[in-house]
Amino acid sequence: DQQVKQNSPSLSVQEGRISILNCDYTNSMFDYFLWYKKYPAEGPTFLISISSIKDKNEDGRFTVFLNKSAKHLSLHIVPSQPGDSAVYFCAARVSGYGGSQGNLIFGKGTKLSVKP
Amino acid sequence: GAGVSQSPSNKVTEKGKDVELRCDPISGHTALYWYRQSLGQGLEFLIYFQGNSAPDKSGLPSDRFSAERTGGSVSTLTIQRTQQEDSAVYLCASSLKRADQETQYFGPGTRLLVL
Repeated sequence: DQQVKQNSPSLSVQEGRISILNCDYTNSMFDYFLWYKKYPAEGPTFLISISSIKDKNEDGRFTVFLNKSAKHLSLHIVPSQPGDSAVYFCAARVSGYGGSQGNLIFGKGTKLSVKP
Repeated sequence: GAGVSQSPSNKVTEKGKDVELRCDPISGHTALYWYRQSLGQGLEFLIYFQGNSAPDKSGLPSDRFSAERTGGSVSTLTIQRTQQEDSAVYLCASSLKRADQETQYFGPGTRLLVL
C-alpha cells in the first residue's frame, strides 16, 4: 500500500512557465515532507522541505505548499528552466528516533521535461 | 570526499552469486541509510544505521540481504544468492544524525543487474 503517491509519471512544461508537481499521502503521522530531484545516473539531491506546522515554504524559484486536511502537497517551480528537467521525488516521514521513525517514504517520482 | 560515494557504480552478476555493495558516507555523518529503486518504482527503504548499529532492518526484503557498518563510517550491503528480482539501483544516504528535519544526502547509487 503506497503511503506517498505521485500520480503523474511525467509532466511537460514550456520554459518560463510554471511547473506544478503534485503529491498525495495517506499516513496522517507524517510530519515532515521533502522534495528531491534526480538526474539520470546520479543520486537524488535534496531540493526543499516543509514541516507540517507550515503550509508554505519558498526557496528562490521553488515553493512547496502543504494542505494537511487534503493530505496533499505540491511543488511549484517558476519560472521553469530547461535545467530543471529531471525526475522529482516527493518524500515524507514521521520524525523521531524510534523504530521506523525518520525513514523517508518516497513516491514513484514525476519526470519533468522543460522545453526551450 | 565531499559527498556520499558508492562502489561499484555498476554490477552485473549471475543468478545465485553473492554481491557486495559499498557506501562511503559523508565524513562525520552518524546516520546511514540504504534504499533501492526498482524499475518504475520509487525509492524503497532497506535499512538504517546509527553509528555501527542497525536498529531498523524492517525494509530488508529477505534474509538474503544483510548489511554492516564498521567504524561508524563505511557500510556494505551484501546480497546472497542473487535473484533476478534483486536487479535495481541501490542507493545509500547519510545524514549528520537521525533527527527531525535532518536532510539525507544521497550517493550516485550502484546499478545491479542479475542475469
